[in-house]
Amino acid sequence: ELTQPPSVSVSPGQTARIPCSGDALPKRYAYWYQQKSGQAPVLVIYEDSKQPSGIPERFSGSSSGTVATLTISGAQVEDEADYYCYSADSNGNHWVFGGGTKLTVL
Amino acid sequence: EVQLVESGGGLVQPGGSLRLSCAASGFTFPRHWMSWVRQAPGKGLEWVANIKEDESEKYYADSMRGRFTISRDNAKNSLYLQMNSLRAEDTAVYYCARGTLFWDSQSRSWYRGGGGIDYWGQGTLVSVSS
Repeated sequence: ELTQPPSVSVSPGQTARIPCSGDALPKRYAYWYQQKSGQAPVLVIYEDSKQPSGIPERFSGSSSGTVATLTISGAQVEDEADYYCYSADSNGNHWVFGGGTKLTVL
Repeated sequence: EVQLVESGGGLVQPGGSLRLSCAASGFTFPRHWMSWVRQAPGKGLEWVANIKEDESEKYYADSMRGRFTISRDNAKNSLYLQMNSLRAEDTAVYYCARGTLFWDSQSRSWYRGGGGIDYWGQGTLVSVSS
């Protein structure tokens, strides 16, 4: 199971941090997805801290112990979305999403 | 350009069956693990199942094991999800998703990496209701 806060709110230009906690995270990578209303999810961070091409540099990720964190440095209004973490269980065969965090930037 | 196009969704009665399809293009489909993920209306994402490149490994979420079957046809670049004994709580948008794959220039081979998802289709809606 992966646990995320239901909501995070920041003002434009501030740093938003979204944590994701799970017992298997010390052994498994975390992935992060952005989902805007009515759209399919988009990968923003993979393998804890790697950035896919085309994703703004303000998106970064880290992981320490049982907590992975998505950081948006200088959040923009267009970053308003639901964010989900994703990882595997300790065996690596079954996957789970966090409950999702609604990011508000206003 | 990577494209994943789901089809086969619709309205079905409780206890009924449905088969979803996903047509893949823009990448070498037989090299990738593939997954199905669903999202109930107004709810979060839920992993359903995934399948290895050669179908030798398949894994399911506990609530779907025994009712859902994931399969693929590499010759047709297609992924499938057979859903039986459908329940109202299976109502959701079902997404087809591609697993990550990376090129290692040193060993000159492909590797899966952490195994997460990098691309998603637009989804197909399944509604289970009488």
